[in-house]
Amino acid sequence: DVKVTQSSRYLVKRTGEKVFLECVQDMDHENMFWYRQDPGLGLRLIYFSYDVKMKEKGDIPEGYSVSREKKERFSLILESASTNQTSMYLCASGSGLGGIDTQYFGPGTRLTVL
Amino acid sequence: AQSVTQLDSQVPVFEEAPVELRCNYSSSVSVYLFWYVQYPNQGLQLLLKYLSGSTLVKGINGFEAEFNKSQTSFHLRKPSVHISDTAEYFCAVSDSNYGQNFVFGPGTRLSVLP
Repeated sequence: DVKVTQSSRYLVKRTGEKVFLECVQDMDHENMFWYRQDPGLGLRLIYFSYDVKMKEKGDIPEGYSVSREKKERFSLILESASTNQTSMYLCASGSGLGGIDTQYFGPGTRLTVL
Repeated sequence: AQSVTQLDSQVPVFEEAPVELRCNYSSSVSVYLFWYVQYPNQGLQLLLKYLSGSTLVKGINGFEAEFNKSQTSFHLRKPSVHISDTAEYFCAVSDSNYGQNFVFGPGTRLSVLP
């Protein structure tokens, strides 16, 4: 079974803190994704990565950055957390040429910024 | 640009009754369609997908969906629901030009009542 793990299920941070969310997949997938999920808005893509050291902006990249130093690991960074970044963050990975295939999701990290 | 509409934000239904969750999309190119389910406090899990071929797609847990190109729809159905089907369901579309670019609908919360 594909396994996507996220470093924390719940996280509470203060405004202005630097926050790291880690995601690891064990299926050698080329593609990895970070989404945020908010009620009534579904999932919105923050960043994705096709390969190591490659990244592309999604629909809502402002206030976020990412890092992919190894194929299995994709990190989301909030340089200076703000209250409007309180949300559920979901990581996903996928394979297939062009990525036209299933995305496998981690369990999510519920981040609260106070 | 693609978009996904899920017309019903909430669907209550009695146990053992049939259910249909509606999904409509817009895209200017060929699309690939997905339904994901999210149980409380979990990540998303793939229910089924349409990439090509037969327009009637069967998935896990007794769900099926039909791709209707003329109606630009991909409605999800189950003939008899169980309490355990209570969850949020997301429709997603990916296009042939840029397969990485999954667009998710806002979700439909299915509540199965005893």
